[in-house]
Amino acid sequence: KAGVTQTPRYLIKTRGQQVTLSCSPISGHRSVSWYQQTPGQGLQFLFEYFSETQRNKGNFPGRFSGRQFSNSRSEMNVSTLELGDSALYLCASRPGQASGTEAFFGQGTRLTVV
Amino acid sequence: AQKITQTQPGMFVQEKEAVTLDCTYDTSDQSYGLFWYKQPSSGEMIFLIYQGSYDEQNATEGRYSLNFQKARKSANLVISASQLGDSAMYFCAMREGRSGGSNYKLTFGKGTLLTVNP
Repeated sequence: KAGVTQTPRYLIKTRGQQVTLSCSPISGHRSVSWYQQTPGQGLQFLFEYFSETQRNKGNFPGRFSGRQFSNSRSEMNVSTLELGDSALYLCASRPGQASGTEAFFGQGTRLTVV
Repeated sequence: AQKITQTQPGMFVQEKEAVTLDCTYDTSDQSYGLFWYKQPSSGEMIFLIYQGSYDEQNATEGRYSLNFQKARKSANLVISASQLGDSAMYFCAMREGRSGGSNYKLTFGKGTLLTVNP
């Protein structure tokens, strides 16, 4: 069974640009969550999607947005990039409601903003 | 206030010895879940072990066990017979609210960097 796949693995962008990250969950999983990991702030929850609906949102500015498609794949978008957005972005999937406890993570996308 | 506290930024252990990584948590929920994840230098978060707040027995998964002391709000990870491949960052995390509910958000501690010496 394939794990959570995140693309691309590495990305370098210029301040002011926008970026889209992709996450393909484990087959059959309907919930996808996104986390930002930085040395200073650690791991912080961005948002969670379930069946194409955002169920939960962390404390991030509106420049951070996401969506989920009918096949459960999810994308995260960051507009008007700032230097502080440089981070490892992790995606996690789980089966969804009333099943499963742990979230399975991908290897992450390492974003560098210059 | 921090919800998950890991007081050990770094820990060293000799190969084949046991090591305990500390984690304390803070929540007013009666139903919650506690997790430990391992993050090697590659970046992927690897699930190790889970303890539900209503579980009466301490969770065990192979060489990993979770020392759950509910009254003290602690959930320490014990790794027995350490191996060189155990060298990594270890994160304690908490999910508040019942499993399967709509509020699935993990709150992570700052992590502990474990180094296993040969």
